[in-house]
Amino acid sequence: DTAVSQTPKYLVTQMGNDKSIKCEQNLGHDTMYWYKQDSKKFLKIMFSYNNKELIINETVPNRFSPKSPDKAHLNLHINSLELGDSAVYFCASTSQGLAEAFFGQGTRLTVV
Amino acid sequence: KNQVEQSPQSLIILEGKNCTLQCNYTVSPFSNLRWYKQDTGRGPVSLTIMTFSENTKSNGRYTATLDADTKQSSLHITASQLSDSASYICVVSANQAGTALIFGKGTTLSVSS
Repeated sequence: DTAVSQTPKYLVTQMGNDKSIKCEQNLGHDTMYWYKQDSKKFLKIMFSYNNKELIINETVPNRFSPKSPDKAHLNLHINSLELGDSAVYFCASTSQGLAEAFFGQGTRLTVV
Repeated sequence: KNQVEQSPQSLIILEGKNCTLQCNYTVSPFSNLRWYKQDTGRGPVSLTIMTFSENTKSNGRYTATLDADTKQSSLHITASQLSDSASYICVVSANQAGTALIFGKGTTLSVSS
């Protein structure tokens, strides 16, 4: 029973393509996040969604768009992929208040 | 500027030895501090969460300390095991909801036999 699951685990694609990464959590959490981990292993938050409302949007290019069909899902859609988008993308979820965040296994995106 | 600095950047120890990882932060306001363990190729897993009023918290062989006055935290690992080899990330939350998490760059620990 994976708490936070992402698909695919690996994604290799060409520059200019559009791709999506899916995330699902079965924990009943009300807040979900997307993080980007660069080659230096530095995690940086991209988006968070609470009850279908975007509550954080760091300085991320508008080529990235989060889509949440329901409280258990937060997908990441990326348009016109660039080389610099190559990284590991992590989905996470938490409940409100002081609670630990549960992370997915990550999606390694490679843009060639 | 909100920042979380960790040291050392990497560390190699022998199995069975103890070690301490450091975290300094300049995050304001401060809500809580978290330590995560990230195995290679996996997502981070929470080890401890401490609020302003907590000085120490343990999770098995992991003990975290927090000095909110000096804005420092440490993670002490006792009797290290090979499975402790991972990156340890210090994360400071600027709000209780956890929606403003500032991540350190992590300390890479290698435990050898």
